[in-house]
Amino acid sequence: DAGVIQSPRHEVTEMGQEVTLRCKPISGHNSLFWYRQTMMRGLELLIYFNNNVPIDDSGMPEDRFSAKMPNASFSTLKIQPSEPRDSAVYFCASSPGDSNQPQHFGDGTRLSIL
Amino acid sequence: AQSVTQLDSQVPVFEEAPVELRCNYSSSVSVYLFWYVQYPNQGLQLLLKYLSGSTLVESINGFEAEFNKSQTSFHLRKPSVHISDTAEYFCALEEGFKTIFGAGTRLFVKA
Repeated sequence: DAGVIQSPRHEVTEMGQEVTLRCKPISGHNSLFWYRQTMMRGLELLIYFNNNVPIDDSGMPEDRFSAKMPNASFSTLKIQPSEPRDSAVYFCASSPGDSNQPQHFGDGTRLSIL
Repeated sequence: AQSVTQLDSQVPVFEEAPVELRCNYSSSVSVYLFWYVQYPNQGLQLLLKYLSGSTLVESINGFEAEFNKSQTSFHLRKPSVHISDTAEYFCALEEGFKTIFGAGTRLFVKA
């Protein structure tokens, strides 16, 4: 079975540039999550969707961050403009959406903003 | 509010020694608890879960965790660790659609 697929795996760009991270969840999963992981702050939930609808975006740090889920098989996380402090590993995860079901994580995108 | 506390940020241990990674939770509703493992340069993977029934749950690679309601704990144990168990371990609590993760415990297994 294909797991959660994230692209790119690595991204290096200069500050001020727009960054777009992509995620393809597991087919049939109704919930999708975006996380950010850093040494200082650990794993932070940024936003999650249920049935393509954003349910809770309280973790999105600033208006520079936005996320979309135009259909059940694709989501994007965009940062515009990017700043060095956005450097982190960004994970996408999906789950069936039923209570007590674990999340399945992608391998992450390692983002470096110079 | 629901929360998860992992009491140790790092646990060094020698190969073949036993290990316990501690996790306490706070919840006012029925709990579903998980342990996830993260190997270097990978995402988190489910290690084991407690939903209901037997309070002792096991993983396929020798880890086990015991749900203790009175102590609000879900500690992870392994009687004999291997070098390959070196990873970060996250305790997590289900809350509706989303999961609350602990800060993680980095397990270092030394030869």
